[in-house]
Amino acid sequence: DAGVTQSPTHLIKTRGQQVTLRCSPISGHKSVSWYQQVLGQGPQFIFQYYEKEERGRGNFPDRFSARQFPNYSSELNVNALLLGDSALYLCASSLRGEQYFGPGTRLTVT
Amino acid sequence: QQQVKQSPQSLIVQKGGISIINCAYENTAFDYFPWYQQFPGKGPALLIAIRPDVSEKKEGRFTISFNKSAKQFSLHIMDSQPGDSATYFCAASISGGSARQLTFGSGTQLTVLP
Repeated sequence: DAGVTQSPTHLIKTRGQQVTLRCSPISGHKSVSWYQQVLGQGPQFIFQYYEKEERGRGNFPDRFSARQFPNYSSELNVNALLLGDSALYLCASSLRGEQYFGPGTRLTVT
Repeated sequence: QQQVKQSPQSLIVQKGGISIINCAYENTAFDYFPWYQQFPGKGPALLIAIRPDVSEKKEGRFTISFNKSAKQFSLHIMDSQPGDSATYFCAASISGGSARQLTFGSGTQLTVLP
């Protein structure tokens, strides 16, 4: 079975721009979570969605938003990008609690 | 405060040796403790996980030891191999719904020398 897929793999944006990251969960998984991993640190929780509803939100500004589609795929949007938003953005899907991560999208803000 | 403290920050062991990574948590509501392995440029991969109703769980060369009273848990890698060289993260979460919001430690960079 295919694992969690994310696109794009890498992305370079300029300060102030907006970005959309995409995630497709493992087939049959209905929950998707997003994490931000800054270089040298552990992942930080951003959002959790289950059955298209937001079930949790981490300590991130309102510039961050997300949604989940009927096919359980998800998008993470970040507006008004800052240099500090440069990170690896990870998506994880879950069926019965265990979370399986995708390869991530490396976002660089210049 | 939901926080997980991980040590050491880096660890170097010889091939065949035992690697030990420790984590401590504060929130007693945590009831699920996974360990993830991450290679450069990859996402974290679930290695092994434990719940607080058991004190130890073993899967192959990987063992989690859990001390509920001390609010500590550790990962032991037996017979460490160069291929185990990676960054290891402990995490913790509270059950609820169909998924868990993981709180991660800061990571341990393990190097296994051949």
